[in-house]
Amino acid sequence: EPEVTQTPSHQVTQMGQEVILRCVPISNHLYFYWYRQILGQKVEFLVSFYNNEISEKSEIFDDQFSVERPDGSNFTLKIRSTKLEDSAMYFCASSERRGGETQYFGPGTRLLVL
Amino acid sequence: AQSVTQPDIHITVSEGASLELRCNYSYGATPYLFWYVQSPGQGLQLLLKYFSGDTLVQGIKGFEAEFKRSQSSFNLRKPSVHWSDAAEYFCAVGTNTGFQKLVFGTGTRLLVSP
Repeated sequence: EPEVTQTPSHQVTQMGQEVILRCVPISNHLYFYWYRQILGQKVEFLVSFYNNEISEKSEIFDDQFSVERPDGSNFTLKIRSTKLEDSAMYFCASSERRGGETQYFGPGTRLLVL
Repeated sequence: AQSVTQPDIHITVSEGASLELRCNYSYGATPYLFWYVQSPGQGLQLLLKYFSGDTLVQGIKGFEAEFKRSQSSFNLRKPSVHWSDAAEYFCAVGTNTGFQKLVFGTGTRLLVSP
C-alpha cells in the first residue's frame, strides 16, 4: 500500500539554525499538508499546498516557514531560523483531492531545538 | 471556527471489554469527521471517516463510529478491545470548503490491561 514517507525521523538543531524537513507524498496525490504536534498538545494545521502554491496557512506559519515542491516527488518544509518553541513532531500529509478527501499522514519528524 | 473536544485524556480498558471514546465537534456546516490512531513512533493512521449518508460508519480493525448531529458527537466504539489497540486516538473535523485543513482534538490515550 502506498504511504507517505518523511525524513529524517529525528533532527536536533541549535536555535537560529535552518532546518529542512522532507516528505515524499503518495505519488498520485495532488494536495499536500504540514501539521505539527508540540509534545503533549494537539496536532495543529500549518499549511496546505496545491499546484505549486500555498492554498491556506495558519497563524503559526509565519515568515520563518516556507514550503516547496522542488521536484515531482518531494515536498519540503523549511524553518529559516529555528526557535526553542519550534520543537515538535512535524507531520506531512497528502490527499488525492480536496474538500473532504482523506489525508494520509507520514510517520513524522521529531525536531528538537536546543 | 471549527473545534474538537475529546474529554478523556486517558482511558484504561480490560482486554476483551468494550470501548467507547468520546468526541464532540463544533462546526457550522455539515462536518467531515475522522478518527485517526497513532501508535508509538508511528504516524497517524486513518481508522474511519464520515462524510454523509449512514450515520454509523465502519472502519478498520473492528472499529465503528456513530455521527449524532443533535449531540455534535462522533464517538468511536469497539465491542472487544485487543492489547494491540493500545495507542493514542485522535478525532478530527475537516471543512467541506477550500482545501480542507483538519482540526484535531487533543487525543485520548488508550491503555489495555490484561
